[in-house]
Amino acid sequence: NAGVTQTPKFRVLKTGQSMTLLCAQDMNHEYMYWYRQDPGMGLRLIHYSVGEGTTAKGEVPDGYNVSRLKKQNFLLGLESAAPSQTSVYFCASSYGLAGGPRQETQYFGPGTRLLVL
Amino acid sequence: GNSVTQMEGPVTLSEEAFLTINCTYTATGYPSLFWYVQYPGEGLQLLLKATKADDKGSNKGFEATYRKETTSFHLEKGSVQVSDSAVYFCAGRGSARQLTFGSGTQLTVLP
Repeated sequence: NAGVTQTPKFRVLKTGQSMTLLCAQDMNHEYMYWYRQDPGMGLRLIHYSVGEGTTAKGEVPDGYNVSRLKKQNFLLGLESAAPSQTSVYFCASSYGLAGGPRQETQYFGPGTRLLVL
Repeated sequence: GNSVTQMEGPVTLSEEAFLTINCTYTATGYPSLFWYVQYPGEGLQLLLKATKADDKGSNKGFEATYRKETTSFHLEKGSVQVSDSAVYFCAGRGSARQLTFGSGTQLTVLP
């Protein structure tokens, strides 16, 4: 099992450019999440998905869009990057309600470091 | 809304010293509480958790007890090692399926 993987690992963008971050998991998890990590602020939830074809907004959704066309993939898009989106982005996944107590544990990818100039 | 208040770092200790990192959680009800650890260059990993009041979570020599009265979940280890150097995050399960994270505490253990 590869667990949760993220691509790319690092990216530099210019203001106004667009890009898509890819998250993939091979654990057959129902739930997937995108977080951003900024110094001194912990992790903040951007968007999440509770199943294929469904997405929902988290704490800081503005400027981002997501899609979950396949159960194993969760894409995070930046349509017009801004310097304020410079951050480290983490994807995570977890079991759904059918997982019982296991549903609460989230499994994280290694992160994508994004720099917007 | 829900919030997690975590002891600010950084924390620097000598090997074999005792570790405490404080965490308190504010929420409606008594949510599950977690400690995650992030080693350099890696994503977060679950360290331990407690799903109800008075539960104790433990793993790799680390322990945390869910104190109902104060909704606290302080992380402790009796004897830290250099390999424990990492960032530690306290988290609580908020509404629906979301986790609320603290700001993280950087721990450095010196040989």
